[in-house]
Amino acid sequence: QLALQESGPGLVKPSETLALICNVSGDSFNSYAYYWGWIRQPPGKGPEWMATITHTGTTYYRPSLQSRITMSVDTSKKQFSLMLKSVRAADTAVYYCACHNAHGWFEAWGLGLLVTVSS
Amino acid sequence: EIVLTQSPDTLSVSPGDRATLSCRASQSVDNYLAWYQQRPGRAPRLLIYDASTRAAGVPARFSGSGSGTEFTLIISTLQSEDVGVYYCQEYKRWPPEAFGQGTKLEIQ
Repeated sequence: QLALQESGPGLVKPSETLALICNVSGDSFNSYAYYWGWIRQPPGKGPEWMATITHTGTTYYRPSLQSRITMSVDTSKKQFSLMLKSVRAADTAVYYCACHNAHGWFEAWGLGLLVTVSS
Repeated sequence: EIVLTQSPDTLSVSPGDRATLSCRASQSVDNYLAWYQQRPGRAPRLLIYDASTRAAGVPARFSGSGSGTEFTLIISTLQSEDVGVYYCQEYKRWPPEAFGQGTKLEIQ
């Protein structure tokens, strides 16, 4: 059974860097069938895909975030991470890590982590 | 950029009645559309993919239809556990970027 869990700070100051980690349990992490992503959901709004990484380290970023975002993967720990630099109030959201397949639908999501950007 | 617009924003339905939710794409996505349910305080859960295929474990009262730019999710006999927000997502393009803004489903 695939499960994902986010960890990271709940509060980040403007202009700082947000760093999140997703831990994956189950046997699918090194499968070429799965892609590991971050999705965020601002308060009262729909989800927004941010970025995806494969277990081999190939990354895909949302164009509007590309200049501020970096993903990395650690296969030995079954973890992947997100760094979002120069955060501002508009980055306040629930951040989910999720797994999608090669077709593109998201098969599993973490519980989500509320991140507030405020001084 | 593909934009998904869901309607209505909020839907109130009596238990046992049918709920019909719509998702419109700004350009054709063929049948590359998924639906998710987000119960209060929970992560989204995959309901439907390829516009009409139920995901594993999803009750038969959930059905999806449509292709091109117009899609529908129907809950045939609403139960109290179905309250939440429902999102559509397209994956015609890679990587899969677009979600709808959501329809909030309430029990009347």
